[in-house]
Amino acid sequence: QKEVEQNSGPLSVPEGAIASLNCTYSDRGSQSFFWYRQYSGKSPELIMFIYSNGDKEDGRFTAQLNKASQYVSLLIRDSQPSDSATYLCAVTSGGSNYKLTFGKGTLLTVNP
Amino acid sequence: DADVTQTPRNRITKTGKRIMLECSQTKGHDRMYWYRQDPGLGLQLIYYSFDVKDINKGEISDGYSVSRQAQAKFSLSLESAIPNQTALYFCATSEGSTGELFFGEGSRLTVL
Repeated sequence: QKEVEQNSGPLSVPEGAIASLNCTYSDRGSQSFFWYRQYSGKSPELIMFIYSNGDKEDGRFTAQLNKASQYVSLLIRDSQPSDSATYLCAVTSGGSNYKLTFGKGTLLTVNP
Repeated sequence: DADVTQTPRNRITKTGKRIMLECSQTKGHDRMYWYRQDPGLGLQLIYYSFDVKDINKGEISDGYSVSRQAQAKFSLSLESAIPNQTALYFCATSEGSTGELFFGEGSRLTVL
């Protein structure tokens, strides 16, 4: 059983702070890594994806991947109350891109 | 209009009833998926399809069946609904090269 583990949270940060979300995965053959944001009762929406070791930045968001440690993270700089949501880590399974395995999600609350 | 449309959005039914959730997409993607989401459990894959002649079981297919009527349509059926199938169901599509999923708005099913 391929697993994706996330800190369940909730994670609470003050407005303007950096929020750090972490994810580990068990399948060494995984090739693609995704962070989705999901507001309560809504569908997940893609925030970032990363394929290569290192950092990938997009605006206030930075994804970090370390395949040797089987670890992927998402940093949110200058956190805003509108960032309050559940963040889902997802990883492709079995060395192909046909199926995503999701973690259980981390609930982030940004306090004004 | 949404690229991935699910109907119904909300449904309340009784134990033993047959239920169909429908999904249609205008993205032109070959790959379609049905996921189930329970509070605190993330997204679990029920079934997926790579084309109209290809249907595959996911992690939790027991009690469910699917039909791929056309490239753009993928339906999920509960032949005899039971209360522990109460959940939020998502349809998703993928064009395949990256693994990125595009989600519908979700169908909330309550089985009494």
